[in-house]
Amino acid sequence: QKEVEQDPGPLSVPEGAIVSLNCTYSNSAFQYFMWYRQYSRKGPELLMYTYSSGNKEDGRFTAQVDKSSKYISLFIRDSQPSDSATYLCASSQGAGGTSYGKLTFGQGTILTVHP
Amino acid sequence: DSGVTQTPKHLITATGQRVTLRCSPRSGDLSVYWYQQSLDQGLQFLIQYYNGEERAKGNILERFSAQQFPDLHSELNLSSLELGDSALYFCAIRNDLLSQETQYFGPGTRLLVL
Repeated sequence: QKEVEQDPGPLSVPEGAIVSLNCTYSNSAFQYFMWYRQYSRKGPELLMYTYSSGNKEDGRFTAQVDKSSKYISLFIRDSQPSDSATYLCASSQGAGGTSYGKLTFGQGTILTVHP
Repeated sequence: DSGVTQTPKHLITATGQRVTLRCSPRSGDLSVYWYQQSLDQGLQFLIQYYNGEERAKGNILERFSAQQFPDLHSELNLSSLELGDSALYFCAIRNDLLSQETQYFGPGTRLLVL
């Protein structure tokens, strides 16, 4: 079993829709949670960063972490065709301990927003 | 733009060969992480260096090695290449100054082994 599970999709939505992307994780030591966006043949780009449980909002994007259920979510409001990309969730124990901050990624969800 | 550069962008080589991938972090970035992205395995951590020292290893094959130089650039060496080594290789840096756990990725090197 992978430490971070993510439904690869693909997910196709009309422009303006609310998109919900989700991951689950199994490692209780994970404290830091991130969402990356990756366009085709490009490097992952950091979208959202959350420490421990809670919500974080940035423009059209909202990240949620529920550590009790080990559930990570990303919501995109008023989705745009330019949001079409692969979205990767990632988790980390942090730079302390033996993990030294390495990121564990989900498989990524391919999102297409059509006009 | 993360400010992290990787060279070359593309690399085509044959099985059994050896290649070197280069990562140049921004000035002052002490931590460098290497990741491999393939269709079947996704994005996986390979190895981390901090200020010239190896700190953590992930699912890195023995045929692969890395190092970080005094100017903090890093190289990932892949030898005895196999078809299955074809993948995207990324380096990422951690912003130690901000003490954040986020990592910023370079544009990657696309390796094709024929």
